[in-house]
Amino acid sequence: DTEVTQTPKHLVMGMTNKKSLKCEQHMGHRAMYWYKQKAKKPPELMFVYSYEKLSINESVPSRFSPECPNSSLLNLHLHALQPEDSALYLCASSHREVAGVQNNEQFFGPGTRLTVL
Amino acid sequence: AQSVTQLDSQVPVFEEAPVELRCNYSSSVSVYLFWYVQYPNQGLQLLLKYLSGSTLVKGINGFEAEFNKSQTSFHLRKPSVHISDTAEYFCAVSKNDYKLSFGAGTTVTVRA
Repeated sequence: DTEVTQTPKHLVMGMTNKKSLKCEQHMGHRAMYWYKQKAKKPPELMFVYSYEKLSINESVPSRFSPECPNSSLLNLHLHALQPEDSALYLCASSHREVAGVQNNEQFFGPGTRLTVL
Repeated sequence: AQSVTQLDSQVPVFEEAPVELRCNYSSSVSVYLFWYVQYPNQGLQLLLKYLSGSTLVKGINGFEAEFNKSQTSFHLRKPSVHISDTAEYFCAVSKNDYKLSFGAGTTVTVRA
């Protein structure tokens, strides 16, 4: 299995809602990532988990809350979002190292298209 | 810190013509280099990568890229494009850490 899956594919939520995005991989990768992508822009890194621990938080507002329950799953909990948070949210995963070489080849999921009303 | 510059924001090309997408990076240390493609309404897919070794890298779908250390470039080429190559292409650079620095992207539009 060489795939990263994300659910749901589309999500529409109000500013007072609480929702969660889910990401799963079964490639044995120990690093997992959340990105936010606006239209016609490159992905922007939000969070990195390494060995199930939060490694990087790119100064993301607290209305976004990541969680890594185990080595295969990554969640992004959403609460009190703003319309400007509407975007494509991408999950990715990578090996921490391959044969002793830092290898940051990241495998991306198809994304969740989020619309905040 | 490293930065990535994709020199062309849009590249229109006719079907079966060659295409080159230019990417330059700036870094004071050795880096790993990647090209990703994003088809409409999809995630990113890796086309090819340079980690070490041969400077000419072959990827999927007939794409190749050449790493030029002296010019700090990693240009992507395909000798003959198809309509299905219409997509957004991102060059990315990574040092020995988790972060990928992406270029702004190049929109390739293939016309019949």
